[in-house]
Amino acid sequence: DVKVTQSSRYLVKRTGEKVFLECVQDMDHENMFWYRQDPGLGLRLIYFSYDVKMKEKGDIPEGYSVSREKKERFSLILESASTNQTSMYLCATKVGYTQETQYFGPGTRLLVL
Amino acid sequence: GQNIDQPTEMTATEGAIVQINCTYQTSGFNGLFWYQQHAGEAPTFLSYNVLDGLEEKGRFSSFLSRSKGYSYLLLKELQMKDSASYLCAVRGGGSARQLTFGSGTQLTVLP
Repeated sequence: DVKVTQSSRYLVKRTGEKVFLECVQDMDHENMFWYRQDPGLGLRLIYFSYDVKMKEKGDIPEGYSVSREKKERFSLILESASTNQTSMYLCATKVGYTQETQYFGPGTRLLVL
Repeated sequence: GQNIDQPTEMTATEGAIVQINCTYQTSGFNGLFWYQQHAGEAPTFLSYNVLDGLEEKGRFSSFLSRSKGYSYLLLKELQMKDSASYLCAVRGGGSARQLTFGSGTQLTVLP
């Protein structure tokens, strides 16, 4: 079974803080994704990576950056958290350049005060 | 760009059949996925269609018409545990890695 873990289930931060969300997968998948999910807006892609040290912007990259130093780990960074970044953050992985589905982590619910 | 539409909410009765529709407009098409998401949990994969027609998997079936930009998820013999959000997602042209998700359909199954 594919296992995708995220560093925290719940996180509370203050405006202006730097926030790190980590995602780790154990299936040697090349592709990793970060989404945020908000009521009425569905899942929106923030960034994705198809290889170590490679990254591409998704639909809503503003205010975020990412890091992929190792194949199994993909980090999402909020340089200066803002209240409009309060959301559910979901990490996903996918094997290779194939039609396979994405596998999701349990999510991190972030509250920025 | 990509645009995916699905109803916001649906209600059905235990034991019944429900059909959740999804329409899409995308630049290119490389497959359509359905996911199930229970409250507070991660989405889990239900089905995948890339060719026209019906894919059946137990109580769940998914249909695709590429010419109409239309898909539906059919749930039979509804159970209370089927109460969840159902997400339609499309992989468009270009990169085969990205999915665009609809906003999800919240299905409530009543006893």
